[in-house]
Amino acid sequence: DGGITQSPKYLFRKEGQNVTLSCEQNLNHDAMYWYRQDPGQGLRLIYYSQIVNDFQKGDIAEGYSVSREKKESFPLTVTSAQKNPTAFYLCASSRGSPSTADTQYFGPGTRLTVL
Amino acid sequence: QKEVEQNSGPLSVPEGAIASLNCTYSDRGSQSFFWYRQYSGKSPELIMFIYSNGDKEDGRFTAQLNKASQYVSLLIRDSQPSDSATYLCAVHYGGSQGNLIFGKGTKLSVKP
Repeated sequence: DGGITQSPKYLFRKEGQNVTLSCEQNLNHDAMYWYRQDPGQGLRLIYYSQIVNDFQKGDIAEGYSVSREKKESFPLTVTSAQKNPTAFYLCASSRGSPSTADTQYFGPGTRLTVL
Repeated sequence: QKEVEQNSGPLSVPEGAIASLNCTYSDRGSQSFFWYRQYSGKSPELIMFIYSNGDKEDGRFTAQLNKASQYVSLLIRDSQPSDSATYLCAVHYGGSQGNLIFGKGTKLSVKP
């Protein structure tokens, strides 16, 4: 089956901890994205990557970091510098670069809660 | 500031009726428009996209785009209780760093 997987489904973080959210796709898509969704809010872009070893900040990148060492993988680290990390995190991918407006397809999401 | 506005709802319609969901956007340079459906606790799934002015139909769904008035709408015919979800409008503004801007979504409730 082709698709996007995210793990874990639920994640609990203590104050001051860094945590890493996994995102893997086997769609052979070039571009990958991380969004954050808060209750009653639209999706907000954290980071995106158009190709391997390249990524760009989105609208709310502070307190987050990413890497893109493989085409299939785009992990997101939520650092202790992110003051309000409790949210639903969504990974997406698209065939072309963001500028081509290709459809973005979403993974199932990771729900992060700070204890 | 590029914005996408949607009525948060909830929009309540009886089963079998037509549900009409609206979305307005701020930038005339917008080129592509997407509708996603999101069930509670789940991730968004694409319903349809539209690039050109006019209507685009896919089964019970019709997207309507009016670039002059800067709005895009989604009609759901013969609404079913399974259509109850939040519908997200997303607008692509183009350019080398163009990305999707999402509205906050409209919650639709279809009553049996």
